[in-house]
Amino acid sequence: DVKVTQSSRYLVKRTGEKVFLECVQDMDHENMFWYRQDPGLGLRLIYFSYDVKMKEKGDIPEGYSVSREKKERFSLILESASTNQTSMYLCASSRVGTSDTQYFGPGTRLTVL
Amino acid sequence: QKEVEQDPGPLSVPEGAIVSLNCTYSNSAFQYFMWYRQYSRKGPELLMYTYSSGNKEDGRFTAQVDKSSKYISLFIRDSQPSDSATYLCAMSAGNQAGTALIFGKGTTLSVSS
Repeated sequence: DVKVTQSSRYLVKRTGEKVFLECVQDMDHENMFWYRQDPGLGLRLIYFSYDVKMKEKGDIPEGYSVSREKKERFSLILESASTNQTSMYLCASSRVGTSDTQYFGPGTRLTVL
Repeated sequence: QKEVEQDPGPLSVPEGAIVSLNCTYSNSAFQYFMWYRQYSRKGPELLMYTYSSGNKEDGRFTAQVDKSSKYISLFIRDSQPSDSATYLCAMSAGNQAGTALIFGKGTTLSVSS
């Protein structure tokens, strides 16, 4: 089975702090994604990566950056956390192929005070 | 017009009922269709995957795709309280772009015993 793990289930940070969210997948998938999920807004793509050291902006990249130094690891960085970044953050991965099926991690519930 | 439309619900049914969850879409190039189930405070998990038109059955779950109407459905027979979750539809054209998976916003289902 595909396994995607995220470093924290729950995180509480202060406004202005730098926040790192880590994601690791064990299925040698080429593609990795970061989403945030908010009530009524569904899943919104922040960034994705289709290869090591490659990254592409999604729909809402402002206030975020990413890093992919190894194929299995994709990090999301909040340079200066703000209260409007309080959300559920979901990492996903997929194999390059035909269906684009994505497999998700358990999510990190981030609260910024 | 949004690419994928999904009624957010909530949908409340008694145990044992047949549940129908639906999505409509506008992009005729979509040919891969998925349903994800997401329990509260967890990441989405892949429930059903269908290619092109037709039906696919897995236990109490049936996924149906009608490409002529641009309409997909998920049927749950003999619904159980454990089926209470948010169900997200997702679809792609399979162009190997890596980001081609488009999600609906999800329908929240509650099954009461």
